Amino acid sequence: DAGVIQSPRHEVTEMGQEVTLRCKPISGHNSLFWYRQTMMRGLELLIYFNNNVPIDDSGMPEDRFSAKMPNASFSTLKIQPSEPRDSAVYFCASRPSGQANTEAFFGQGTRLTVV
Amino acid sequence: QKEVEQNSGPLSVPEGAIASLNCTYSDRGSQSFFWYRQYSGKSPELIMFIYSNGDKEDGRFTAQLNKASQYVSLLIRDSQPSDSATYLCAVNGDGNNRKLIWGLGTSLAVNP
Repeated sequence: DAGVIQSPRHEVTEMGQEVTLRCKPISGHNSLFWYRQTMMRGLELLIYFNNNVPIDDSGMPEDRFSAKMPNASFSTLKIQPSEPRDSAVYFCASRPSGQANTEAFFGQGTRLTVV
Repeated sequence: QKEVEQNSGPLSVPEGAIASLNCTYSDRGSQSFFWYRQYSGKSPELIMFIYSNGDKEDGRFTAQLNKASQYVSLLIRDSQPSDSATYLCAVNGDGNNRKLIWGLGTSLAVNP
């Protein structure tokens, strides 16, 4: 298995532009997580899906952030408009079905820089 | 607010020594505990998980869980320079909650 695949790996954009991050989870995993990681705040959960349905989006910082999972093999995280404080590494992770006590597998992340 | 706390470090140990990393958590209902390693510029990867009180050993790594005191630790024996990384503690809530609560991580430096 190729693991969790994220694209792009790096994104540099100007303030005010729309940014879309993409994620393909591991086949068969029914939970998908979007995280943001910064030095100051560590790894923060933004939103997670179970069976393509958003379960908890309490970590989404504000209305500028939105996430979708139209099918079991694809998810997007969109920021519109982007701001410099959104600069961070964004990770997507997936988790297999069954028990909750299973590890999350991470993609390689998207390093976002908003200038 | 459910929290997971770790000493940010850096923790510096000589090669061959035992590195001890600690994590405390606030939610008494937590049932599963994970240690992830993250190299600089890379994504977190699972090192160990533990569910039951006591010790769990895997090679050079030992996870220790004490639910009464609400802490979980990771011991790395015979530390190697390749162990230098940030170690993240993650805690799962009770029930079927799939939401992991993460600590900020402890930076470990193993000096040759």
